[in-house]
Amino acid sequence: DAGVTQSPTHLIKTRGQQVTLRCSPKSGHDTVSWYQQALGQGPQFIFQYYEEEERQRGNFPDRFSGHQFPNYSSELNVNALLLGDSALYLCASSLALIGDYGYTFGSGTRLTVV
Amino acid sequence: GQQLNQSPQSMFIQEGEDVSMNCTSSSIFNTWLWYKQDPGEGPVLLIALYKAGELTSNGRLTAQFGITRKDSFLNISASIPSDVGIYFCAGREETSGSRLTFGEGTQLTVNP
Repeated sequence: DAGVTQSPTHLIKTRGQQVTLRCSPKSGHDTVSWYQQALGQGPQFIFQYYEEEERQRGNFPDRFSGHQFPNYSSELNVNALLLGDSALYLCASSLALIGDYGYTFGSGTRLTVV
Repeated sequence: GQQLNQSPQSMFIQEGEDVSMNCTSSSIFNTWLWYKQDPGEGPVLLIALYKAGELTSNGRLTAQFGITRKDSFLNISASIPSDVGIYFCAGREETSGSRLTFGEGTQLTVNP
């Protein structure tokens, strides 16, 4: 049973560029959440997608956007990259209907902005 | 963004010792979760707590949901080298839907 799959695992981008990160949820899960984890800190909630709509959003600027597809997979897009966007981006999936707050996390995408 | 106050930030212990770490919040939480994160991996759920006062065990791990609903602790008994990693508490506020707020982590080192 595949868990949460994220791609790519590592990425290096230049300031001002745009990036797209991808996530496939665990089989049977229908909700995807994205978190940003800066070095030495805990994950910070970016947003959550359910039924192809953004349901909740954390304190992140509009440069951060996302999408969920009919197969429940999701993308995180970041425009106009800043050095401070360098972080581990984690995708977490869950089954919304049973209120399972024990998300299953992927291994993350390590984004480095230079 | 808001983060939970997690302590200690790091711990260096000998194999076989017990470990305790805790998290506090200024807000009321209705769910507390404890995760472990290994290098290059995402957090893995260890214990989930849903009721104030709840005490739950998972092998050598025991966690409690504080009765004030503003704190939680995690104990690890008889530590072993594979317990090394970063432990995070996470909570869900009553008004925050399903989003989780994380602590800053406790780095645990176990010397054999």
